[in-house]
Formats: sequence, C-alpha cells, structure tokens
Amino acid sequence: NAGVTQTPKFRILKIGQSMTLQCTQDMNHNYMYWYRQDPGMGLKLIYYSVGAGITDKGEVPNGYNVSRSTTEDFPLRLELAAPSQTSVYFCASRGTSEAETQYFGPGTRLLVL
Amino acid sequence: GQNIDQPTEMTATEGAIVQINCTYQTSGFNGLFWYQQHAGEAPTFLSYNVLDGLEEKGRFSSFLSRSKGYSYLLLKELQMKDSASYLCAVTDSNYQLIWGAGTKLIIKP
Repeated sequence: NAGVTQTPKFRILKIGQSMTLQCTQDMNHNYMYWYRQDPGMGLKLIYYSVGAGITDKGEVPNGYNVSRSTTEDFPLRLELAAPSQTSVYFCASRGTSEAETQYFGPGTRLLVL
Repeated sequence: GQNIDQPTEMTATEGAIVQINCTYQTSGFNGLFWYQQHAGEAPTFLSYNVLDGLEEKGRFSSFLSRSKGYSYLLLKELQMKDSASYLCAVTDSNYQLIWGAGTKLIIKP
C-alpha cells in the first residue's frame, strides 16, 4: 500500500494563478481531509469528505474548492492564489471509526509570490 | 470557542523523561490523539485516549482526565530521534479533530 500520496511536493505560484493539489489514497477510506499548516501553528481544516460525492467546509475554506468523484481521490483547487495561501498543505484519510487515526500524505509546500 | 493549549517549546536531555501537557476546551469530547511531527514531515500517530487513565506503549505513555480537560504525553529514555513537535488533537461533538499548535521538543546530548 502506498497510503496517502500528494502531488506536487513543492510549487511556487504567482498571485492570481490557479492550481490543483492532488491527493490519492489506496486504503479504501471513506473520510478524507485537507489541512493547511502555517509555521509554528497547528493544522487548520480546509475541507473534508465523508465519502464519494460528499464534501463539506472546514474551518478555513475561503479561496479553496474540492471535489470527491471517487473514493480514492480528493483534489484541492486554489483559485486566484494569494500570498496568505502560502503554507504547507496536508491531505489525510481515515476509516469509518472516529477512534481510528488519520493517515497523512507527505504534504505540498506552496509559496505564493 | 474551541481551544487546545500546549507549551510552545520544551528542552530535555537524552536519556531523561519529559512530560508534555495538553489542556482543552471543546464542544464535546470524543477522544484525544497525540501525533509526532518531525520537521518538514507529516504528522504520525502516537496514541489515542477516550477513557480516563494511562495508556502505555513502549517508551511513550499518554494520560487523560476528561473531568479536568487535561492530557499529557510522557516520553521515557529520551533519544535524539525524539526531537520533533508533538501535536495534541481532540475529536469534538461533530467528530472533527481540533488541533493544538504543537510542542517543539528539543533533546540535548
């Protein structure tokens, strides 16, 4: 099992550009999450999904969009990138029980200049 | 509001014991997780507590008191590789994880 994979690992964007961060998991998990982590801070939930076709906003959804057409994939779209979106983005997934850990991808480091 | 407090940074000596505290105020409680995060890497799972008491896993133990909104992570026989950030996270009434900012642990020889 590859677990949770994310691409790209690192990206530099200019202000106003758009991009999609890819996330794929091969554990057949229903729950998937997108977080951002700013330096010295905890994880902030952007969007989450409880299954294919179902997504919901987290704590900091503005400036982002998601889709969940399959169980495996949960891409995060940034429209009109802003310097405030400079961060490290982590995708995570877990199984059905809330007692289960979330498994994290390696992260995408995004710099918006 | 929802709040999780952890010390920002702690320093300890190789071979010693360190206790990292976490206090929380959340809308509901459905469990508490501890994760380890090395610099530049993703968080990895350490422990889960949902009932009061101590859970032991090798060199690492985690304690929970729900009535006090308090948990700690105890690391014994510290090794240099334990230098990392330790994140406390609470599952709230909506079954979402609320994350603390993390405690950076520095191990000195």
